[in-house]
Amino acid sequence: GAGVSQSPSNKVTEKGKDVELRCDPISGHTALYWYRQRLGQGLEFLIYFQGNSAPDKSGLPSDRFSAERTGESVSTLTIQRTQQEDSAVYLCASSLALASSYNEQFFGPGTRLTVL
Amino acid sequence: SQQGEEDPQALSIQEGENATMNCSYKTSINNLQWYRQNSGRGLVHLILIRSNEREKHSGRLRVTLDTSKKSSSLLITASRAADTASYFCATMGAQKLVFGQGTRLTINP
Repeated sequence: GAGVSQSPSNKVTEKGKDVELRCDPISGHTALYWYRQRLGQGLEFLIYFQGNSAPDKSGLPSDRFSAERTGESVSTLTIQRTQQEDSAVYLCASSLALASSYNEQFFGPGTRLTVL
Repeated sequence: SQQGEEDPQALSIQEGENATMNCSYKTSINNLQWYRQNSGRGLVHLILIRSNEREKHSGRLRVTLDTSKKSSSLLITASRAADTASYFCATMGAQKLVFGQGTRLTINP
């Protein structure tokens, strides 16, 4: 009964470097979401994956951001050429299929990214 | 852009008092959910109310939904120090949740 896990829990990087964040969803959850949360702010939707459908990338802030998911398992969020404005907590969530209107999302603990 | 807007942004009350937080949104929804976040990390789902429901209870939580006013409220009764956290409403429209900015709730012992 493991929940959503994310790694690393903290990441400090230098401006201009690439970073890769990982999310392991709950087994059996076909939907996976990435959010960004700046300090003291709400959650900002980035991208979501649903089964084998094309991902909804409408929230990605720039082409430096990309994400992949293999089947219904692990997802990675990659930020290229990081900027200081990318500093935030990146949260991953998973949920069961979108067949109903429920869609309770289960969140991981997040990765705190600091770009120096 | 954020759809939900919570009010107030911050709330500080004494232990034992009731806490009420409000959420307003802009577009039609399938459901509205409330989440809690401790220490700026993972969120925990508290309660979901469907668009055809007006009120829902879960333990010390009571949620109301007024779709005509596009607003919801979360009431926490008999607050405890452990309720100190940020609370977010999230609306489910077209296949994704849109979160508000949150209310920072502090329960003073």
